[in-house]
Amino acid sequence: SQQGEEDPQALSIQEGENATMNCSYKTSINNLQWYRQNSGRGLVHLILIRSNEREKHSGRLRVTLDTSKKSSSLLITASRAADTASYFCATGARAGGTSYGKLTFGQGTILTVHP
Amino acid sequence: SAVISQKPSRDICQRGTSLTIQCQVDSQVTMMFWYRQQPGQSLTLIATANQGSEATYESGFVIDKFPISRPNLTFSTLTVSNMSPEDSSIYLCSVRDSGELFFGEGSRLTVL
Repeated sequence: SQQGEEDPQALSIQEGENATMNCSYKTSINNLQWYRQNSGRGLVHLILIRSNEREKHSGRLRVTLDTSKKSSSLLITASRAADTASYFCATGARAGGTSYGKLTFGQGTILTVHP
Repeated sequence: SAVISQKPSRDICQRGTSLTIQCQVDSQVTMMFWYRQQPGQSLTLIATANQGSEATYESGFVIDKFPISRPNLTFSTLTVSNMSPEDSSIYLCSVRDSGELFFGEGSRLTVL
């Protein structure tokens, strides 16, 4: 079953604006990862944040994690038309369980950045 | 990061036939997975491909329908058997490396 729920399902913005996508999950996690997918192709790993981290940056990406609320957000600053893609969060289970090493994906957010 | 090659990248198949997808990694990896992405949906884990032993399938997926081989630490195959239109999906191979999951470009199957 899908653990992650993302909102919004679709986001449409103008180039230069910031885009924020949210992800909520249900069970305890070891880490949370964000991926990008262009037009039904393979997924590209964007960023990983561990359960003991609260914020992480990578270029124009900023990810936050609130384990008390079981939620994460992905912020893309100064968006570009080339950022148009689907974005997925994925949670990794804690060690010791049968799900360790596997990722559970959210439903994704379709981001469209208009030039 | 691991580089993953999948083939075929896409195929159109007839109902009732079977198709084998290959996944080649440029380095030895311990954990390799197969995911399915149905049209407009997120990714669902099919199974973990175990080197030298039978794959571990997730709930809702069975070996008869999705037989998997993993003869070594760099290669795996997924067969989609006795296909129906409901099997039309993107099938993605992925490997776990340093806590991150890397994906191949996927194999887009259309079943007529």
